[in-house]
Amino acid sequence: GAGVSQSPRYKVAKRGQDVALRCDPISGHVSLFWYQQALGQGPEFLTYFQNEAQLDKSGLPSDRFFAERPEGSVSTLKIQRTQQEDSAVYLCASGSRRAYEQYFGPGTRLTVT
Amino acid sequence: DAKTTQPTSMDCAEGRAANLPCNHSTISGNEYVYWYRQIHSQGPQYIIHGLKNNETNEMASLIITEDRKSSTLILPHATLRDTAVYYCIVRSINDMRFGAGTRLTVKP
Repeated sequence: GAGVSQSPRYKVAKRGQDVALRCDPISGHVSLFWYQQALGQGPEFLTYFQNEAQLDKSGLPSDRFFAERPEGSVSTLKIQRTQQEDSAVYLCASGSRRAYEQYFGPGTRLTVT
Repeated sequence: DAKTTQPTSMDCAEGRAANLPCNHSTISGNEYVYWYRQIHSQGPQYIIHGLKNNETNEMASLIITEDRKSSTLILPHATLRDTAVYYCIVRSINDMRFGAGTRLTVKP
């Protein structure tokens, strides 16, 4: 079956631009997670949704970061006024209610110039 | 904080068993031990998880010490395609925090 997909796979933004990153989770998965992975580092938790409810956003680094999942399926991570330090791979993962494993997408590599 | 400690890197000969250690001395009773791996330029891939009993699946075995303060992931017959960064994670249901992981290099 289809896995988690993310788009775009690569995004180059000029400093100050707004970007929107999309995540299509596995159909029927209740949980959805966003992570930020800097070069050479492990993924860092950003935020977590259960259905459309954002239950944890403690990892969002600033108020320039905003995530939504309005219908409990597709999610968008928006970054306003991008900065160079936002350059990273943004990973999305989804999971079912009963299963404990998360399934990751391929990530979106964001480069801010 | 990642709650786990892993060696930065390890090498393993192709065809041999790879044993990846992880310390998690502050683990609490309801927290599971998870292992994921990340091959270059891909998203992390789930390998296995356990609470207190040893676990085995088609990919690997997980050995958890009786006091649950450490564990070992075993890849029984490592192949070149097992070269990746391996993450040991201690988590409750909705909280998964990665550390830096162990970079495993399988050599011919």
